[in-house]
Amino acid sequence: DQQVKQNSPSLSVQEGRISILNCDYTNSMFDYFLWYKKYPAEGPTFLISISSIKDKNEDGRFTVFLNKSAKHLSLHIVPSQPGDSAVYFCAASVGGSNYKLTFGKGTLLTVNP
Amino acid sequence: DVKVTQSSRYLVKRTGEKVFLECVQDMDHENMFWYRQDPGLGLRLIYFSYDVKMKEKGDIPEGYSVSREKKERFSLILESASTNQTSMYLCASAQGGYTFGSGTRLTVV
Repeated sequence: DQQVKQNSPSLSVQEGRISILNCDYTNSMFDYFLWYKKYPAEGPTFLISISSIKDKNEDGRFTVFLNKSAKHLSLHIVPSQPGDSAVYFCAASVGGSNYKLTFGKGTLLTVNP
Repeated sequence: DVKVTQSSRYLVKRTGEKVFLECVQDMDHENMFWYRQDPGLGLRLIYFSYDVKMKEKGDIPEGYSVSREKKERFSLILESASTNQTSMYLCASAQGGYTFGSGTRLTVV
């Protein structure tokens, strides 16, 4: 029973273009959503989050959009840079960022120079 | 900055061995977690703890146990290691968000 789904295992974009990573969830109790970035042989690092009371959150080149009715969120990276190449995990929780997270399977983003 | 330290980056153990994975955080966080990461499966929660001596099962606790005798230390124990426990193990502590350790790549042969 996969409660957080990232249906694209990989995505390849050109440097300078927009990267859009998608995530769907099934559990209506989730009220906090996060994106993590992971390089090989390192732990995941926090990128951006959004509470269910919002539909958009921005931080520099990164924007997360939440569509609660569709149970869908997306991460936009503009402009994409080669250093953004990593695995991106979508995660969701009930009650906020300090509690147990349910992760998606991840999307490998490759940004080509 | 919060630091979460996992005692080993790489471990190789034999089937049937009892394995201890140690995790220490230096910022007095209440909440600590153990996940494993496998290709194509993402991160899956094994156990978590919201206080000293408290532990809760995550989504895949079978074959594992944990110990939290002190606030800063959360240990994952593989009671009898099996080859299907070969994985990357990630510890995290949380207050104002998660901080992950660098991970332990465990190979069971």
